[in-house]
Amino acid sequence: QKEVEQDPGPLSVPEGAIVSLNCTYSNSAFQYFMWYRQYSRKGPELLMYTYSSGNKEDGRFTAQVDKSSKYISLFIRDSQPSDSATYLCAMLDSSYKLIFGSGTRLLVRP
Amino acid sequence: EPEVTQTPSHQVTQMGQEVILRCVPISNHLYFYWYRQILGQKVEFLVSFYNNEISEKSEIFDDQFSVERPDGSNFTLKIRSTKLEDSAMYFCASRETGQETQYFGPGTRLLVL
Repeated sequence: QKEVEQDPGPLSVPEGAIVSLNCTYSNSAFQYFMWYRQYSRKGPELLMYTYSSGNKEDGRFTAQVDKSSKYISLFIRDSQPSDSATYLCAMLDSSYKLIFGSGTRLLVRP
Repeated sequence: EPEVTQTPSHQVTQMGQEVILRCVPISNHLYFYWYRQILGQKVEFLVSFYNNEISEKSEIFDDQFSVERPDGSNFTLKIRSTKLEDSAMYFCASRETGQETQYFGPGTRLLVL
C-alpha cells in the first residue's frame, strides 16, 4: 500500500464552486499534514498545515484532518481561475522529511 | 518576504557529465533538503542536511550524489556522472529550527541527454 494516495484528477469546476481535495495515508504515526500548491513548472508553495486531527481555516481555504480514518481534505470556497494549479498533500514523517501525494490537478473555469 | 532561491533554473547536460545545482536557503534556516520530481511523478525526498552533515538520505541518493554547504549561504547538490534517469526537477527546501514547515525553491529543471 502506498504511503500517501491522492486522486490525480484533473478536477474541473466552474468559478465560484466549492472544491474538495482529498488524500489518504497509511502511516498512523504521521502528525503534521501539509497542503502545497504547485503551478506548472514551479516549486511547491505551502498553503496550509495542520497538526493532528481537526480543522484549520485560512481565508477561502479549510484543511481538515481525520486521523481515525487516515484521511485529510482541503476545501476551497468561492474558487477562482487563479486557483487552477496542482494541489499536493504531504505528511511529515518522524525524521522531518515530507512524504508527498501525487497531486490533484485543479482547473477552475471562468 | 524571504524565499529559497535556486540556480540555474534550467540545465542541459550530456550523460556522464557532472552537474552542480545551487540553492540559497532562507537565511535563518538551518535544516536543508533536496527533493526531486520526475515529470508526471510525485515529489520525492532525496536528502536532508543539518550542521554540515547528512541527516538522512533516500535510496535514490547513491554514491553519484553529494551535498555540500560550501559557505554560509549556499547549499549544493552535485551529481557526479549524470544518467538519463536523473532528468527531473530538483527542489531545494529549508526549515527553521523548531518549525515543521519546509519552504521550497522554484526548482532546477535538469535534462540529461
